[in-house]
Amino acid sequence: DARVTQTPRHKVTEMGQEVTMRCQPILGHNTVFWYRQTMMQGLELLAYFRNRAPLDDSGMPKDRFSAEMPDATLATLKIQPSEPRDSAVYFCASGTGQGSYEQYFGPGTRLTVT
Amino acid sequence: KNQVEQSPQSLIILEGKNCTLQCNYTVSPFSNLRWYKQDTGRGPVSLTIMTFSENTKSNGRYTATLDADTKQSSLHITASQLSDSASYICVVSEGDTNAGKSTFGDGTTLTVKP
Repeated sequence: DARVTQTPRHKVTEMGQEVTMRCQPILGHNTVFWYRQTMMQGLELLAYFRNRAPLDDSGMPKDRFSAEMPDATLATLKIQPSEPRDSAVYFCASGTGQGSYEQYFGPGTRLTVT
Repeated sequence: KNQVEQSPQSLIILEGKNCTLQCNYTVSPFSNLRWYKQDTGRGPVSLTIMTFSENTKSNGRYTATLDADTKQSSLHITASQLSDSASYICVVSEGDTNAGKSTFGDGTTLTVKP
């Protein structure tokens, strides 16, 4: 069955290193979301795309985070340089955007920055 | 400021019992309200989605209600099962389709004991 996939599932890195997380949305979905979840903040929307164009990235720290959709089957979230406070689970979700409010979440990438 | 408040923060019930989770919001303009179930270590899974004109929606043993006048929603779980142990997150969105601005509640952690 169709699912959102994310890689890697787990990532441990040292402070200052670059981290790239990848997401493959469900085929045919034209809306992609990036979320971050921590115990302290809960789920936060970082950015979302429609038809590969960024519509809102106001939730994302601009100085170190960047999100792109090189093509319709791949979304990336990059952190450079990473900091310990970036440790969280990062979720990607996709949806059809055709009058539907449904979002399908991936399994997440658990990032630990030491 | 848009807010979504969920109560209780955590809940423990015995298998087979019913329970009700609450969600109060101040999001405006209202577009839709979604309830998600999130198992430990997994991404959220949509349970129900309600728009302004809907005041109840069911998904198996889960029934959500919406009172747009008082800006309150509830999620009722009937005949609870051990597999219902999870975090339940209320999300309220403004704007269009399945994008727009979303405000997340902090979730209610439900534990079902045998």
